[in-house]
Amino acid sequence: AQRVTQPEKLLSVFKGAPVELKCNYSYSGSPELFWYVQYSRQRLQLLLRHISRESIKGFTADLNKGETSFHLKKPFAQEEDSAMYYCALSGDYGQNFVFGPGTRLSVLP
Amino acid sequence: DAGVIQSPRHEVTEMGQEVTLRCKPISGHNSLFWYRQTMMRGLELLIYFNNNVPIDDSGMPEDRFSAKMPNASFSTLKIQPSEPRDSAVYFCASRDSSYEQYFGPGTRLTVT
Repeated sequence: AQRVTQPEKLLSVFKGAPVELKCNYSYSGSPELFWYVQYSRQRLQLLLRHISRESIKGFTADLNKGETSFHLKKPFAQEEDSAMYYCALSGDYGQNFVFGPGTRLSVLP
Repeated sequence: DAGVIQSPRHEVTEMGQEVTLRCKPISGHNSLFWYRQTMMRGLELLIYFNNNVPIDDSGMPEDRFSAKMPNASFSTLKIQPSEPRDSAVYFCASRDSSYEQYFGPGTRLTVT
């Protein structure tokens, strides 16, 4: 069965420090991976997806099929990046969509 | 488009009462998802519909929960009878053909 894991429930970094939010997945087919972000008391919104290979708000994520990972990275964290981040997987033809448990990122001044 | 619309935004009810949450997906989206979010359990998928048909309801906690999608522009999630442990934020999301999900603002449910 498909599964998404995010080992860190909480990650605290100082402003300007690099940040990496880890995501690993298990899926037998060819998944599509996403990162969603939820700012305080707001709705979840898509941050980026692996097929677009773009950088959003300075964040990037590379799909590593060998390690089955899709870690989210940003070289210099900002205080406004503080939020809940969810890694998500969509299976073949959009079936079997699953979210990871989420990581709360706290960027300290 | 106004995005995914959910109502009510907040609901406070007493244990044992029936609760109905409503969702209007984005026009043209053919998939709709209901999620529950709590501090303890994170984001849980309850059920999702494709072309108004329930595809996977394995996440529905128990028979007290039911969901319907009578047409492409409306869905309900009903809890009857409600219990304090149902207190959570319930999100509805709709999805387009690119598989990106668009979330509604959520309904914060408190059962006392």
